[in-house]
Amino acid sequence: AQSVSQHNHHVILSEAASLELGCNYSYGGTVNLFWYVQYPGQHLQLLLKYFSGDPLVKGIKGFEAEFIKSKFSFNLRKPSVQWSDTAEYFCAVNAGGNNRLAFGKGNQVVVIP
Amino acid sequence: NAGVTQTPKFRILKIGQSMTLQCAQDMNHNYMYWYRQDPGMGLKLIYYSVGAGITDKGEVPNGYNVSRSTTEDFPLRLELAAPSQTSVYFCASSFEGQGVSPLHFGNGTRLTVT
Repeated sequence: AQSVSQHNHHVILSEAASLELGCNYSYGGTVNLFWYVQYPGQHLQLLLKYFSGDPLVKGIKGFEAEFIKSKFSFNLRKPSVQWSDTAEYFCAVNAGGNNRLAFGKGNQVVVIP
Repeated sequence: NAGVTQTPKFRILKIGQSMTLQCAQDMNHNYMYWYRQDPGMGLKLIYYSVGAGITDKGEVPNGYNVSRSTTEDFPLRLELAAPSQTSVYFCASSFEGQGVSPLHFGNGTRLTVT
């Protein structure tokens, strides 16, 4: 079964710091990759996705993610975070079939003003 | 647009009680899902539906039931509530399968079973 690993469940950083959240998956075939974000008190929403093409994808609010096939990774980055980026971030991977999706355990990110 | 609407937002149940979590979407999506979210555990799929009249089990279906009589509605039923069902429940929908189409989530239902 496919699995998705997100490390460093709790991340605390100051405004203007750079953020990188790791996502690794265990599947050797073609994958579709997603990052979802859940702001405090809100529902989950799509941050960005990768299906094919340029492995560096840009999402909303200045986030980007890079797909590195050889490393089975899809890490999320933001060069300079803001207090409003405080949220929980989930990586999700589709591997095989259009209706299968595996979520990671999430990263709780707290940005201190 | 309302998107995905879930009710109630909060509920406290006693062990053995039953309840239905309501979910409705107005985007004409065929695919609908119920997830539960436990702290530090990510999201686990309970049940899903690929269209009216069609439902199937997800990763953690025990203790739950669903129905899909219309495209819009996908209620989740807890028959005999247990403390292990204390969780936050999210309903979601998508235009195509969730592996190829972004999920649209509701605001969640926080359920406590005591």
